[in-house]
Amino acid sequence: EAQVTQNPRYLITVTGKKLTVTCSQNMNHEYMSWYRQDPGLGLRQIYYSMNVEVTDKGDVPEGYKVSRKEKRNFPLILESPSPNQTSLYFCASSLGDSRNQPQHFGDGTRLSIL
Amino acid sequence: GIQVEQSPPDLILQEGANSTLRCNFSDSVNNLQWFHQNPWGQLINLFYIPSGTKQNGRLSATTVATERYSLLYISSSQTTDSGVYFCAVSYTGANSKLTFGKGITLSVRP
Repeated sequence: EAQVTQNPRYLITVTGKKLTVTCSQNMNHEYMSWYRQDPGLGLRQIYYSMNVEVTDKGDVPEGYKVSRKEKRNFPLILESPSPNQTSLYFCASSLGDSRNQPQHFGDGTRLSIL
Repeated sequence: GIQVEQSPPDLILQEGANSTLRCNFSDSVNNLQWFHQNPWGQLINLFYIPSGTKQNGRLSATTVATERYSLLYISSSQTTDSGVYFCAVSYTGANSKLTFGKGITLSVRP
C-alpha cells in the first residue's frame, strides 16, 4: 500500500531532550516536506527536500533540522526542543514538483514538550 | 503570498443533508487539493483538482481556475463526514509548498 509513515504518532518529552521524528514513503517520491499545525495559525511548512541531499527552509525552520540521505526517508530533528514546538506535525511527499502533483500526507505526530 | 479563503467557517448538518464548501484563492494556481482532517487529526486527501470536476462516491469537487475558486460537494452526509475540511493550493514561485486555508468545521448530527 502506498503510504507516508511517521513515527512516533505521539510523544511527550521534556525541554532540551533531543528527539527525531521519522518519515518514510514507499512511493519513490522525489519531493518531501514537513509541516506543523497549530490552532489559529493553520499548517505551515518547516522544511522541504526536492531530492536526495537537497533540502531547504520553509516558512518556520527555526529550531529544526532535517536530512535527506536516502530518497525514502526525511527525518525531522529537534536538537533542543522547547515548549513552543508543541504541535501536530505532518510529513508529506509528492512525485516530482508538487506544484503539479498531489501531495500525500502521513498520519501526523503529536509532540508535547514540557 | 497567495491568500486562500474558505467559507463558511462552520457548518452544522443533519445526517442525510447535502452541503457545498467553498474555497477562493487570490492568484493562479498549479495545484489545488481538498483534505478532510478527521477527529484523530489525520489529513485525508480527498481530491487533487487544479481544474475541472471530479467525483468520488458521495463527494465531488469542481475547480474553476479562471475564476479562482473551488467547490466541494457533500451529498447525503453521514456522521463520519464530521471534521475539518481544508483547501490547499500551490503556485509558481511557491517552492512547492502547499498554502492551506483556515478550514471549514463540519458537524453532522445523527
